[in-house]
Amino acid sequence: NAGVTQTPKFRVLKTGQSMTLLCAQDMNHEYMYWYRQDPGMGLRLIHYSVGEGTTAKGEVPDGYNVSRLKKQNFLLGLESAAPSQTSVYFCASSYRVVTDTQYFGPGTRLTVL
Amino acid sequence: QQPVQSPQAVILREGEDAVINCSSSKALYSVHWYRQKHGEAPVFLMILLKGGEQKGHEKISASFNEKKQQSSLYLTASQLSYSGTYFCGTGGSNDYKLSFGAGTTVTVRA
Repeated sequence: NAGVTQTPKFRVLKTGQSMTLLCAQDMNHEYMYWYRQDPGMGLRLIHYSVGEGTTAKGEVPDGYNVSRLKKQNFLLGLESAAPSQTSVYFCASSYRVVTDTQYFGPGTRLTVL
Repeated sequence: QQPVQSPQAVILREGEDAVINCSSSKALYSVHWYRQKHGEAPVFLMILLKGGEQKGHEKISASFNEKKQQSSLYLTASQLSYSGTYFCGTGGSNDYKLSFGAGTTVTVRA
């Protein structure tokens, strides 16, 4: 039981490049989330999904796209990376929403030059 | 809407107590508390639900004041291992997501 895994762990991009972050969970959770964490800002929600095939915007969705083609996977894409997207990205999943624990992945540290 | 946490930071000596507060301007159904060590992912501590009782995890406990839409996390007889950043996450009964506070950094010194 691996819980929530994220790949890659680290990545350096140049401005304008694209990339996809992969989140996988093996707990059969319906709900999955992508957050970004910047110093002093806490966790800000980028996009989330309430089930396979569904996605919704969070607080800071601009510049990101997501897909949830399989229940266990949630992908976060950056089409044209900008230095403002330098951050640590966390994926999380939960069985229910407000009454259940969110399990976090180990994070991806992204630097955009 | 993001909940407000206070204080932003606190420094303790081993054995001292501290209280971290989390306030929301919207009606809450649940409050989650997480702790994050430097360079690691947030780790779940506890959930408090509307109408529920105060909860505890070793010497860390929390309360939920539904009327004031506030929760408090109590660190009792702090240990070095309590150092980290504590986040509260709040949710309403019809929400599909949590809103997290900016965090409170706790430093426990020997």
